[in-house]
Amino acid sequence: AQSVTQPDIHITVSEGASLELRCNYSYGATPYLFWYVQSPGQGLQLLLKYFSGDTLVQGIKGFEAEFKRSQSSFNLRKPSVHWSDAAEYFCAVGAPTDSWGKLQFGAGTQVVVTP
Amino acid sequence: EPEVTQTPSHQVTQMGQEVILRCVPISNHLYFYWYRQILGQKVEFLVSFYNNEISEKSEIFDDQFSVERPDGSNFTLKIRSTKLEDSAMYFCASRTGQTARETQYFGPGTRLLVL
Repeated sequence: AQSVTQPDIHITVSEGASLELRCNYSYGATPYLFWYVQSPGQGLQLLLKYFSGDTLVQGIKGFEAEFKRSQSSFNLRKPSVHWSDAAEYFCAVGAPTDSWGKLQFGAGTQVVVTP
Repeated sequence: EPEVTQTPSHQVTQMGQEVILRCVPISNHLYFYWYRQILGQKVEFLVSFYNNEISEKSEIFDDQFSVERPDGSNFTLKIRSTKLEDSAMYFCASRTGQTARETQYFGPGTRLLVL
């Protein structure tokens, strides 16, 4: 069965420090991979996505993610966090064979940014 | 930038009552979705909707749930007789294309509390 795991429920990081959020998936082939962010009172906003090709993908707000097939991972990184990056981050997968394109989400990682 | 909107942002209801959650997808989008997130759990797919009919639904989406697009702009989720376990954040999403390659745009959610 497909699954998405975000091992870290909560991460605290200092402003200006680097951030890495982990995501592991279980799927028979390479799924489509996404990272979404949810700020308080906002909807889920797409940060970046991976379908194929270059395994390092760049997204909005200075985020990047690296797909590692051997580890079934798609970790999200940012070199230097800003206070506005405090939010909840969701990793999601979509099956290329799924006709209707539903997404399967991880449980989310809450990021707190301290001064 | 166009966005998905949802109303109300919060709703409290008594067990057994009917609730209708409303969404206004982005205007040129053709595919519509409902997801929910029970507190502390993953975001779960409920249903997808295209061409005025359900295209796919999850096991969660039983007979007490229904969706419709009554007027070409609103997309609603009705829960006929709410249960305590229906308490969750409900997200609406829409996209232009059919496959998981297309970005799903999410609304800010409706937090439903069933007492």
